[in-house]
Amino acid sequence: SQELEQSPQSLIVQEGKNLTINCTSSKTLYGLYWYKQKYGEGLIFLMMLQKGGEEKSHEKITAKLDEKKQQSSLHITASQPSHAGIYLCGAELSGNTGKLIFGQGTTLQVKP
Amino acid sequence: NAGVTQTPKFRVLKTGQSMTLLCAQDMNHEYMYWYRQDPGMGLRLIHYSVGEGTTAKGEVPDGYNVSRLKKQNFLLGLESAAPSQTSVYFCASSYRRGRGTEAFFGQGTRLTVV
Repeated sequence: SQELEQSPQSLIVQEGKNLTINCTSSKTLYGLYWYKQKYGEGLIFLMMLQKGGEEKSHEKITAKLDEKKQQSSLHITASQPSHAGIYLCGAELSGNTGKLIFGQGTTLQVKP
Repeated sequence: NAGVTQTPKFRVLKTGQSMTLLCAQDMNHEYMYWYRQDPGMGLRLIHYSVGEGTTAKGEVPDGYNVSRLKKQNFLLGLESAAPSQTSVYFCASSYRRGRGTEAFFGQGTRLTVV
């Protein structure tokens, strides 16, 4: 969706390097969701953020939602080949309407 | 636990043919969604439902129809398939959004229209 912009669209990093993926909206984000997808497979839920300033971590992945609730970042520390895949952010932009949209995704490759 | 099940997993259609994709969830979720995924475009919302008997248009609804006659099922129909509808289709379901729970996805249906 153009209402949710992810950057970069693709990323190639060397194993062990850190990286950040951004998800930006022109509207307030009512719930921000990060998913990961392996090629040809379904989506795996990573994290959900709801409050401005909220930050969550799982293993080496940290996600933050900025204070104004219009941008989120996903940071991977010491990347591994297992981190490779497509990362998608999803959100509701119009309150609790049930209309869940996604960004265009960021494809991550990790070189051993 | 089955979770979200999509039927079929693969299908090849000829232009102009019709078909129905079935999504079934066994988690008693209120919300259900249909998305299509094309290279470089992420997931685009086709239609969604916030409860049994209700449906709403998403971002790319043209050429598709949906029905939610039972809470556990969400059907996506293509009345006259076109090559532009070649895509991978994903269904998802979730609890009422106010609880802040994530959407659970099916494994996808790969549709080719020739």
